[in-house]
Amino acid sequence: EAQVTQNPRYLITVTGKKLTVTCSQNMNHEYMSWYRQDPGLGLRQIYYSMNVEVTDKGDVPEGYKVSRKEKRNFPLILESPSPNQTSLYFCASRRTGEGYTFGSGTRLTVV
Amino acid sequence: GDSVTQMEGPVTLSEEACLTINCTYTATGYPSLFWYVQYPGEGLQLLLKATKADDKGSNKGFEATYRKETTSFHLEKGSVQVSDSAVYFCALERENSGYSTLTFGKGTMLLVSP
Repeated sequence: EAQVTQNPRYLITVTGKKLTVTCSQNMNHEYMSWYRQDPGLGLRQIYYSMNVEVTDKGDVPEGYKVSRKEKRNFPLILESPSPNQTSLYFCASRRTGEGYTFGSGTRLTVV
Repeated sequence: GDSVTQMEGPVTLSEEACLTINCTYTATGYPSLFWYVQYPGEGLQLLLKATKADDKGSNKGFEATYRKETTSFHLEKGSVQVSDSAVYFCALERENSGYSTLTFGKGTMLLVSP
C-alpha cells in the first residue's frame, strides 16, 4: 500500500530534550515536506525537500532541522524543543503533477 | 503572498442535506487547487483537485469548480452522509521548477447528524 509513515504517533517530552520524528514514504516520491497544524492557524510548512540532499525552509522553520540522506526518509529534528512547538505534525510527499500524500500525524506535547 | 480563505465552521447539517463550503484564494499566476479532508484522528487525504481554470474536480459525490474570474473553488455535495463529518481544507499549490508549496485555508469542520 502506498503510504507515508510517521513515528511516533504521540510524544510527550520535556523542554530542551532533543527528539526526532521519523517519516518514510514507499512511493519513490522526490518531494517531501513537513507541516505543523495548530488550531486557528491551519497547516503551515516547516521544511521541504525537492530531492536527496536538497532541503529548504518553509514558512515556520525556526527551531527545527531536517535531513534527506535517502529518498524515502525525511526526519524532523527538534534539537531543543520548547512548549511553543507543541503541535500536530504531518509529513507529506508528492510526485510532480499529483496531490500530496500525508502521514497520519504526530501529536507532540512539550512540557 | 498566496492565501486561501474558507468559511468558518462548524457547518452543521442533517443527513441528505446539500453542502457548500466556500473557498476563495489570492494568488498570482495559475496555481492548482485542492480540497483535502481530515477525519478525526487521521491525516489529510486528497479529496479532489483542479489544475486549471474551469476544471471541475469530483470524488465521492463532492465537486468543486476552479473559477478564475471569482478566484473561488467552492466545495459542494448534493446529499451529505454522517460519514462525511470531518474537517475540510481548501489549498492551493504553486509549483516552479520542481519546487512546490501548498498554502492551506484554516479548515472548515462539517458535522452531519442522522
